[in-house]
Amino acid sequence: EDKVVQSPLSLVVHEGDTVTLNCSYEVTNFRSLLWYKQEKKAPTFLFMLTSSGIEKKSGRLSSILDKKELFSILNITATQTGDSAVYLCAVFSGSARQLTFGSGTQLTVLP
Amino acid sequence: KAGVTQTPRYLIKTRGQQVTLSCSPISGHRSVSWYQQTPGQGLQFLFEYFSETQRNKGNFPGRFSGRQFSNSRSEMNVSTLELGDSALYLCASSLARTDTQYFGPGTRLTVL
Repeated sequence: EDKVVQSPLSLVVHEGDTVTLNCSYEVTNFRSLLWYKQEKKAPTFLFMLTSSGIEKKSGRLSSILDKKELFSILNITATQTGDSAVYLCAVFSGSARQLTFGSGTQLTVLP
Repeated sequence: KAGVTQTPRYLIKTRGQQVTLSCSPISGHRSVSWYQQTPGQGLQFLFEYFSETQRNKGNFPGRFSGRQFSNSRSEMNVSTLELGDSALYLCASSLARTDTQYFGPGTRLTVL
């Protein structure tokens, strides 16, 4: 059975801090790993990673994938209160042909 | 381009009733997937439709069903509602089956 584990489950930081969110996975026939941000509504897409070692970047957010060690990290630098959300990691399996989600990391950024 | 839309946004039903939820994908997207999100279980895959055919199904009972129309719009039906069906139902669309999925705002279903 495909499995995605995120850590930590929750994190409280102050504005300006840098955070690292972790996602490890066990899936058969890995195709891609995706990061989403979920505030009080629908998850919004952040990154899709398919190759090891290539960093994807968008503003203060960046992510990298390690296919050998089966994990990914999401970094957020200079955090702002607007970064407060649940960050979801999901992996697409070519065998199951579906996304399997982790339980998410609840990030709270205090002013 | 308009995003994924879902209707209704909120729904209250009683046990034993049935419900139909609707999802309109991003224009040009042909794959529609449905998910159930609860605090205890997180986001769980229900099923995926592509070209009007169900291509994949998660571990949910037969009370959960769906369909897709020729314009790629999809509906999801839950019959004989149970209290445990209370959840946020999310629909996501993608261009092709392995592409990035973009989520709609969800339908919040409450079963009393």
